[in-house]
Amino acid sequence: SQQGEEDPQALSIQEGENATMNCSYKTSINNLQWYRQNSGRGLVHLILIRSNEREKHSGRLRVTLDTSKKSSSLLITASRAADTASYFCATDPYNDYKLSFGAGTTVTVRA
Amino acid sequence: NAGVTQTPKFRVLKTGQSMTLLCAQDMNHEYMYWYRQDPGMGLRLIHYSVGEGTTAKGEVPDGYNVSRLKKQNFLLGLESAAPSQTSVYFCASTPGTGGAKTFGSGTRLTVV
Repeated sequence: SQQGEEDPQALSIQEGENATMNCSYKTSINNLQWYRQNSGRGLVHLILIRSNEREKHSGRLRVTLDTSKKSSSLLITASRAADTASYFCATDPYNDYKLSFGAGTTVTVRA
Repeated sequence: NAGVTQTPKFRVLKTGQSMTLLCAQDMNHEYMYWYRQDPGMGLRLIHYSVGEGTTAKGEVPDGYNVSRLKKQNFLLGLESAAPSQTSVYFCASTPGTGGAKTFGSGTRLTVV
């Protein structure tokens, strides 16, 4: 079963705007990861946040993690057309090798 | 550095036929995974391997078999393909637990 669930399922924004998507999960985790998938391509790792971290930045990406609420958010600032893709959160549980993916958020950036 | 390479990229099978999907990685990663991706379902883990000669079942293993005879290769087999196995298959690898996964570009399989 899917551990992470993203919200919203789809998001359409204007170039230059910020995009925010959320991920909720059910059990304790070691870390949470965000991936991007362009149409017809494989997944690309964006950022990993550990359970003892609350916020992490990478370029125009900002990820937060609230373990008490079992939720995470991904913010993409100053969006570009190239950010059009599906974004997936994946949870890495303790003492397990398996990463569980949500169904993803499809982001469309309009020029 | 090729990363994770999947072959073939596309395949159409008739119901009942068999085939093997090959995943090769050149990063000396210990762990390798096979996922399937269906519309609206995200990625679901089929089988995984934590080292050469080892395999284990994931979330949706029925109808699939795997082998990891060499550290760099992870094979996914379909012995008797069914239409329900129409999907996009992704291979991934990682050096160890708790790290980012490197994905291949996928194999789009259609079973008619």
